[in-house]
Amino acid sequence: GENVEQHPSTLSVQEGDSAVIKCTYSDSASNYFPWYKQELGKGPQLIIDIRSNVGEKKDQRIAVTLNKTAKHFSLHITETQPEDSAVYFCAASTGGFKTIFGAGTRLFVKA
Amino acid sequence: EPEVTQTPSHQVTQMGQEVILRCVPISNHLYFYWYRQILGQKVEFLVSFYNNEISEKSEIFDDQFSVERPDGSNFTLKIRSTKLEDSAMYFCASSEASGGIGELFFGEGSRLTVL
Repeated sequence: GENVEQHPSTLSVQEGDSAVIKCTYSDSASNYFPWYKQELGKGPQLIIDIRSNVGEKKDQRIAVTLNKTAKHFSLHITETQPEDSAVYFCAASTGGFKTIFGAGTRLFVKA
Repeated sequence: EPEVTQTPSHQVTQMGQEVILRCVPISNHLYFYWYRQILGQKVEFLVSFYNNEISEKSEIFDDQFSVERPDGSNFTLKIRSTKLEDSAMYFCASSEASGGIGELFFGEGSRLTVL
């Protein structure tokens, strides 16, 4: 079955710096790659997603890149702010009924 | 804004007891899910439910687990005889399209503690 690896597990950056989180997936049939943000005491919330027919997608300070050949995808957050501090999960799906999540990255943005 | 609601927010139970976790998905959504998250670990898929039947389940979802949509609004997860290792945060989610190709909307979770 699909397996998603995520790195780093913890990331600490200074406010205003960029943060990059990387994921790899195992199933070459995966075609949908969402990113979720989980704040303390809450459920994960979608922040951006990318489909396999696209190499890059941007939404304000957040961008995702996808390399299907290498089976990896990344989340880039620019100009980080303290409110970006949260746990971020990458995920992958083959288009069926389940989405497989990575282990999460705890991002700390220091003011 | 419509949201997924879950009850209870926290349940403490004795090992071997039955537990039912309840969820009210977003009203026009057709696909429903349960995920769990053991403290500090990844969000793990348990089961998906569509058209009044299980569409997919993981190896975690064994005979001790069952799901039901008893009426038009609730979606429940039952654990028949809880074990210590069932202690986790259980998240319900729903989606308009199949979760494999669209956004999952998660509830705030039900924390289960098995003593």
